[in-house]
Amino acid sequence: GAVVSQHPSWVICKSGTSVKIECRSLDFQATTMFWYRQFPKQSLMLMATSNEGSKATYEQGVEKDKFLINHASLTLSTLTVTSAHPEDSSFYICSARWRGGAEAFFGQGTRLTVV
Amino acid sequence: AQSVTQLGSHVSVSEGALVLLRCNYSSSVPPYLFWYVQYPNQGLQLLLKYTTGATLVKGINGFEAEFKKSETSFHLTKPSAHMSDAAEYFCAVLKTSYDKVIFGPGTSLSVIP
Repeated sequence: GAVVSQHPSWVICKSGTSVKIECRSLDFQATTMFWYRQFPKQSLMLMATSNEGSKATYEQGVEKDKFLINHASLTLSTLTVTSAHPEDSSFYICSARWRGGAEAFFGQGTRLTVV
Repeated sequence: AQSVTQLGSHVSVSEGALVLLRCNYSSSVPPYLFWYVQYPNQGLQLLLKYTTGATLVKGINGFEAEFKKSETSFHLTKPSAHMSDAAEYFCAVLKTSYDKVIFGPGTSLSVIP
């Protein structure tokens, strides 16, 4: 199956700093990428959808200026958590889909801890 | 709006026993349906999917699921549980291939030796 690589798998940062998470589709062109946030023992919450070359579409309640999403190429999307605070600590997961494909392929996730 | 419900946030089964994880969806049109498994601190792995055709779908690790349109259900089963099946399981629905995936709340499966 198609492979999506997410990096880093875990990161610890100081409050007030910014953190960038990368999501790469290794063997297919990802025309659409999704970013999710997952709290412990909970389901995935969709944060935003990004299409290559277009601005991301954010879900209601997600701060665009805090969670910057860039999908500059067909194989790479990045999520930058700006001015991170402890409440941003969470598990972030990306997924990618090719044009017209029903199945989404998931990255391994990134555990973000803000101290 | 679409939604997915999973009856039972936590299910425990004995090793070797039948696994049944329930999933019901609401959708105005027959959707695409998925089951994903998540191990601790990892991403999601696709177990199986229904798009069109045969309503009984077989997936990896001995799992299968049946799409029942009349019941709007897509329950996941496995005849004999293994210790390695202990994980979180998510049912998901997609209305069209250009839509976003909607996840259920998840069911945590424990397997008792």
